[in-house]
Amino acid sequence: EDKVVQSPLSLVVHEGDTVTLNCSYEVTNFRSLLWYKQEKKAPTFLFMLTSSGIEKKSGRLSSILDKKELFSILNITATQTGDSAVYLCAGPSNSGGSNYKLTFGKGTLLTVNP
Amino acid sequence: NAGVTQTPKFQVLKTGQSMTLQCAQDMNHNSMYWYRQDPGMGLRLIYYSASEGTTDKGEVPNGYNVSRLNKREFSLRLESAAPSQTSVYFCASGSGTGLYNEQFFGPGTRLTVL
Repeated sequence: EDKVVQSPLSLVVHEGDTVTLNCSYEVTNFRSLLWYKQEKKAPTFLFMLTSSGIEKKSGRLSSILDKKELFSILNITATQTGDSAVYLCAGPSNSGGSNYKLTFGKGTLLTVNP
Repeated sequence: NAGVTQTPKFQVLKTGQSMTLQCAQDMNHNSMYWYRQDPGMGLRLIYYSASEGTTDKGEVPNGYNVSRLNKREFSLRLESAAPSQTSVYFCASGSGTGLYNEQFFGPGTRLTVL
Protein backbone atom coordinates (compact mmCIF):
# COMPACT_ATOMS: atom_id res chain seq x y z
CA GLU A 1 0.00 0.00 0.00
CA ASP A 2 1.31 3.45 -0.91
CA LYS A 3 2.30 5.59 2.03
CA VAL A 4 3.37 9.20 2.48
CA VAL A 5 4.39 10.36 5.96
CA GLN A 6 5.10 13.97 6.87
CA SER A 7 6.81 15.41 9.91
CA PRO A 8 6.41 17.35 12.02
CA LEU A 9 2.61 17.48 12.04
CA SER A 10 2.75 21.06 13.29
CA LEU A 11 5.37 23.72 13.78
CA VAL A 12 5.33 27.23 15.27
CA VAL A 13 8.12 29.66 14.42
CA HIS A 14 8.84 33.39 14.47
CA GLU A 15 9.15 35.55 11.40
CA GLY A 16 12.63 35.33 9.97
CA ASP A 17 13.24 31.75 11.08
CA THR A 18 14.19 29.00 8.64
CA VAL A 19 12.11 25.82 8.66
CA THR A 20 12.54 22.35 7.21
CA LEU A 21 9.55 20.13 6.54
CA ASN A 22 9.99 16.42 5.95
CA CYS A 23 8.28 13.88 3.74
CA SER A 24 9.02 10.17 3.51
CA TYR A 25 7.24 8.03 0.96
CA GLU A 26 6.68 4.54 -0.27
CA VAL A 27 4.76 4.54 -3.53
CA THR A 28 4.43 2.01 -6.31
CA ASN A 29 6.73 2.65 -9.26
CA PHE A 30 7.96 6.02 -8.12
CA ARG A 31 7.87 8.73 -10.77
CA SER A 32 7.64 12.04 -8.92
CA LEU A 33 6.90 13.68 -5.60
CA LEU A 34 4.87 16.85 -5.26
CA TRP A 35 4.57 19.58 -2.67
CA TYR A 36 1.44 21.69 -2.21
CA LYS A 37 0.58 24.65 0.02
CA GLN A 38 -2.90 24.86 1.47
CA GLU A 39 -4.10 28.02 3.12
CA LYS A 40 -7.78 28.43 3.83
CA LYS A 41 -9.04 26.88 0.65
CA ALA A 42 -7.73 24.54 -2.01
CA PRO A 43 -4.16 23.22 -2.25
CA THR A 44 -1.91 25.07 -4.66
CA PHE A 45 1.04 23.48 -6.39
CA LEU A 46 4.60 24.31 -5.25
CA PHE A 47 7.08 21.81 -6.66
CA MET A 48 7.36 18.56 -8.53
CA LEU A 49 10.53 16.54 -7.94
CA THR A 50 11.62 13.69 -10.14
CA SER A 51 15.40 13.45 -9.79
CA SER A 52 17.55 12.87 -6.74
CA GLY A 53 19.80 15.64 -5.53
CA ILE A 54 18.50 18.40 -7.78
CA GLU A 55 17.13 21.31 -5.81
CA LYS A 56 14.03 23.09 -6.99
CA LYS A 57 13.80 26.70 -5.88
CA SER A 58 11.11 29.37 -5.89
CA GLY A 59 11.95 32.52 -3.98
CA ARG A 60 12.44 31.60 -0.34
CA LEU A 61 11.17 28.05 -0.84
CA SER A 62 13.29 25.15 -2.00
CA SER A 63 12.92 21.41 -2.10
CA ILE A 64 15.09 18.41 -2.77
CA LEU A 65 14.53 14.70 -3.23
CA ASP A 66 16.53 11.66 -2.12
CA LYS A 67 15.25 8.70 -4.11
CA LYS A 68 17.57 6.26 -2.40
CA GLU A 69 16.29 7.11 1.08
CA LEU A 70 12.72 7.77 -0.18
CA PHE A 71 12.74 11.20 1.38
CA SER A 72 12.12 14.82 0.48
CA ILE A 73 12.48 18.09 2.37
CA LEU A 74 10.91 21.48 1.86
CA ASN A 75 12.89 24.45 3.17
CA ILE A 76 11.52 27.91 3.79
CA THR A 77 14.03 30.63 4.65
CA ALA A 78 13.29 34.00 6.25
CA THR A 79 9.72 32.93 7.00
CA GLN A 80 6.89 35.45 6.83
CA THR A 81 3.41 35.36 8.35
CA GLY A 82 2.06 34.71 4.86
CA ASP A 83 3.87 31.37 4.87
CA SER A 84 1.45 30.12 7.53
CA ALA A 85 -0.38 27.21 5.93
CA VAL A 86 -0.59 23.45 5.75
CA TYR A 87 2.11 21.99 3.52
CA LEU A 88 1.20 18.76 1.80
CA CYS A 89 3.46 16.19 0.24
CA ALA A 90 2.07 13.75 -2.32
CA GLY A 91 3.27 10.80 -4.36
CA PRO A 92 1.62 9.69 -7.60
CA SER A 93 0.76 6.00 -7.87
CA ASN A 94 1.31 4.16 -11.09
CA SER A 95 -1.55 2.07 -12.40
CA GLY A 96 -1.18 0.78 -15.92
CA GLY A 97 1.54 3.09 -17.15
CA SER A 98 0.39 6.60 -16.21
CA ASN A 99 0.14 8.50 -12.98
CA TYR A 100 -3.52 8.78 -12.19
CA LYS A 101 -3.62 8.96 -8.41
CA LEU A 102 -1.97 10.94 -5.69
CA THR A 103 -1.37 9.63 -2.19
CA PHE A 104 -1.20 12.57 0.20
CA GLY A 105 0.51 12.87 3.53
CA LYS A 106 -1.51 14.38 6.38
CA GLY A 107 0.39 17.63 6.09
CA THR A 108 2.50 19.90 8.28
CA LEU A 109 0.71 22.88 9.81
CA LEU A 110 3.15 25.77 9.84
CA THR A 111 2.35 28.84 11.93
CA VAL A 112 4.62 31.86 11.58
CA ASN A 113 4.19 34.41 14.35
CA PRO A 114 5.19 38.07 13.93
CA ASN B 1 -9.53 30.55 -17.90
CA ALA B 2 -11.50 29.65 -14.79
CA GLY B 3 -9.43 26.52 -14.03
CA VAL B 4 -11.46 24.08 -11.93
CA THR B 5 -14.88 25.18 -10.77
CA GLN B 6 -17.17 23.46 -8.27
CA THR B 7 -20.76 23.95 -7.29
CA PRO B 8 -22.20 24.42 -4.78
CA LYS B 9 -19.74 26.03 -2.34
CA PHE B 10 -21.79 25.09 0.70
CA GLN B 11 -24.56 22.55 1.27
CA VAL B 12 -26.50 21.26 4.25
CA LEU B 13 -28.36 17.98 3.88
CA LYS B 14 -30.47 15.83 6.12
CA THR B 15 -29.57 12.18 6.58
CA GLY B 16 -30.94 10.15 3.67
CA GLN B 17 -31.16 13.02 1.20
CA SER B 18 -29.31 12.84 -2.10
CA MET B 19 -27.32 15.42 -3.98
CA THR B 20 -24.82 15.84 -6.78
CA LEU B 21 -21.64 17.90 -6.59
CA GLN B 22 -20.64 19.37 -9.92
CA CYS B 23 -17.10 19.95 -11.18
CA ALA B 24 -15.83 21.36 -14.46
CA GLN B 25 -12.38 22.18 -15.80
CA ASP B 26 -11.37 24.24 -18.83
CA MET B 27 -7.72 23.15 -19.09
CA ASN B 28 -8.33 20.24 -21.47
CA HIS B 29 -7.03 17.83 -18.86
CA ASN B 30 -7.51 14.11 -19.27
CA SER B 31 -7.83 13.08 -15.64
CA MET B 32 -10.19 14.32 -12.94
CA TYR B 33 -10.46 13.46 -9.27
CA TRP B 34 -12.72 13.77 -6.27
CA TYR B 35 -11.20 14.06 -2.78
CA ARG B 36 -12.59 14.56 0.66
CA GLN B 37 -10.67 16.33 3.41
CA ASP B 38 -11.38 15.73 7.09
CA PRO B 39 -9.51 17.03 10.14
CA GLY B 40 -6.64 14.72 11.03
CA MET B 41 -7.19 12.54 7.97
CA GLY B 42 -5.72 14.64 5.21
CA LEU B 43 -6.89 14.44 1.61
CA ARG B 44 -8.34 11.08 0.61
CA LEU B 45 -9.23 10.06 -2.92
CA ILE B 46 -12.86 9.03 -3.46
CA TYR B 47 -12.97 8.36 -7.20
CA TYR B 48 -10.95 9.30 -10.20
CA SER B 49 -11.32 9.34 -13.95
CA ALA B 50 -8.17 8.78 -15.97
CA SER B 51 -9.87 9.81 -19.18
CA GLU B 52 -13.28 10.51 -20.61
CA GLY B 53 -15.39 7.38 -20.36
CA THR B 54 -13.49 5.73 -17.49
CA THR B 55 -13.86 5.91 -13.74
CA ASP B 56 -12.16 4.02 -10.92
CA LYS B 57 -12.47 3.78 -7.18
CA GLY B 58 -10.04 5.52 -4.90
CA GLU B 59 -9.39 5.02 -1.21
CA VAL B 60 -12.89 5.80 0.16
CA PRO B 61 -15.55 5.18 -2.53
CA ASN B 62 -18.35 3.73 -0.37
CA GLY B 63 -21.51 5.82 -0.40
CA TYR B 64 -20.56 7.72 -3.56
CA ASN B 65 -21.02 7.43 -7.31
CA VAL B 66 -19.43 9.44 -10.08
CA SER B 67 -20.10 10.33 -13.69
CA ARG B 68 -17.57 11.58 -16.19
CA LEU B 69 -20.09 13.39 -18.35
CA ASN B 70 -17.55 14.57 -20.91
CA LYS B 71 -13.93 15.65 -20.88
CA ARG B 72 -14.75 18.83 -18.96
CA GLU B 73 -17.16 17.60 -16.31
CA PHE B 74 -16.96 15.09 -13.47
CA SER B 75 -19.79 14.86 -10.96
CA LEU B 76 -19.98 13.20 -7.54
CA ARG B 77 -23.30 11.87 -6.26
CA LEU B 78 -24.35 11.01 -2.75
CA GLU B 79 -27.42 8.79 -3.06
CA SER B 80 -28.31 8.67 0.64
CA ALA B 81 -26.26 11.10 2.68
CA ALA B 82 -24.93 10.10 6.10
CA PRO B 83 -23.41 12.25 8.86
CA SER B 84 -20.07 10.50 8.20
CA GLN B 85 -20.03 12.21 4.82
CA THR B 86 -19.78 15.64 6.41
CA SER B 87 -16.55 16.93 4.93
CA VAL B 88 -14.95 19.35 2.52
CA TYR B 89 -14.95 17.96 -1.02
CA PHE B 90 -12.36 18.95 -3.58
CA CYS B 91 -12.38 18.26 -7.27
CA ALA B 92 -9.08 18.32 -9.15
CA SER B 93 -7.83 17.80 -12.66
CA GLY B 94 -4.47 16.84 -14.09
CA SER B 95 -2.76 16.09 -17.34
CA GLY B 96 -2.38 12.54 -16.05
CA THR B 97 0.27 11.40 -18.46
CA GLY B 98 3.87 10.37 -17.93
CA LEU B 99 5.77 12.02 -15.14
CA TYR B 100 3.70 15.17 -14.95
CA ASN B 101 0.90 14.70 -12.49
CA GLU B 102 0.53 18.16 -11.05
CA GLN B 103 -3.13 18.53 -10.10
CA PHE B 104 -5.15 21.70 -10.04
CA PHE B 105 -7.78 21.92 -7.35
CA GLY B 106 -11.17 23.55 -7.31
CA PRO B 107 -12.23 25.81 -4.42
CA GLY B 108 -14.04 23.04 -2.54
CA THR B 109 -17.58 22.29 -1.35
CA ARG B 110 -18.28 22.29 2.36
CA LEU B 111 -20.96 19.68 3.00
CA THR B 112 -22.75 19.15 6.31
CA VAL B 113 -25.06 16.19 6.81
CA LEU B 114 -27.34 16.49 9.82
